[in-house]
Amino acid sequence: QSALTQPASVSGSPGQSITISCTGTSSDVGVYNYVSWYQQHPGKAPKVMIYEVSNRPSGVPERFSGSKSGNTASLTISGLQAEDEADYYCSSYTRSSTLVVFGGGTKLTVL
Amino acid sequence: QVQLVQSGSELKKPGASVKVSCKASGYTFTSYVMNWVRQAPGQGLEWMGWINTNTGNPTYAQGFTGRFVFSLDTSVSTAYLQISSLKAEDTAVYYCARDPLPYYYNSNAYYFDYWGQGTLVTVSS
Repeated sequence: QSALTQPASVSGSPGQSITISCTGTSSDVGVYNYVSWYQQHPGKAPKVMIYEVSNRPSGVPERFSGSKSGNTASLTISGLQAEDEADYYCSSYTRSSTLVVFGGGTKLTVL
Repeated sequence: QVQLVQSGSELKKPGASVKVSCKASGYTFTSYVMNWVRQAPGQGLEWMGWINTNTGNPTYAQGFTGRFVFSLDTSVSTAYLQISSLKAEDTAVYYCARDPLPYYYNSNAYYFDYWGQGTLVTVSS
């Protein structure tokens, strides 16, 4: 059981917007802005898409955005494209001895 | 350009040991913490811990103490993950991943900007 809770799957059609949630606790997402999101295509290494809740690394399309409210962080992808189909993982710093926790991952299907 | 290149796939028997390498290039190796992340087949990501490449001091996540050892060879800009007394449940892809905050900030960014390509370790009799 992962420390952060994500929906197992989400789907959307090209051009639409989707949001993936990531629910933590007052020991991680709720109190720290060290929330990041990773995209992973099959057989590939993860790639950071968002860091510190809402910052996009250079080269990541503006279609990807992040936010946080209380204990839940969210990744929104607008203008869905076929290449966005992948697994997405959230991560957060936590005050527990684990230090860094991941969500269980969300499979995004572009219909 | 920053690159992390890991060693190739390994097939080991239960009880054996394995050492995975992660060779860094394109930046000053000793300036950035190196993390290790595990992904079991069909499963999610699991943070294993990190090693301070400036001091050599490792930090292990819960569940990764005892049989797991992080080490360095700074002369060749390489980080290592050694797993001893291998079990079938250690079968996974192991990634090295860099924290982007330089050590002199005396903190971590707690996200990973560059990843190795992953090393599949299979434990089977």
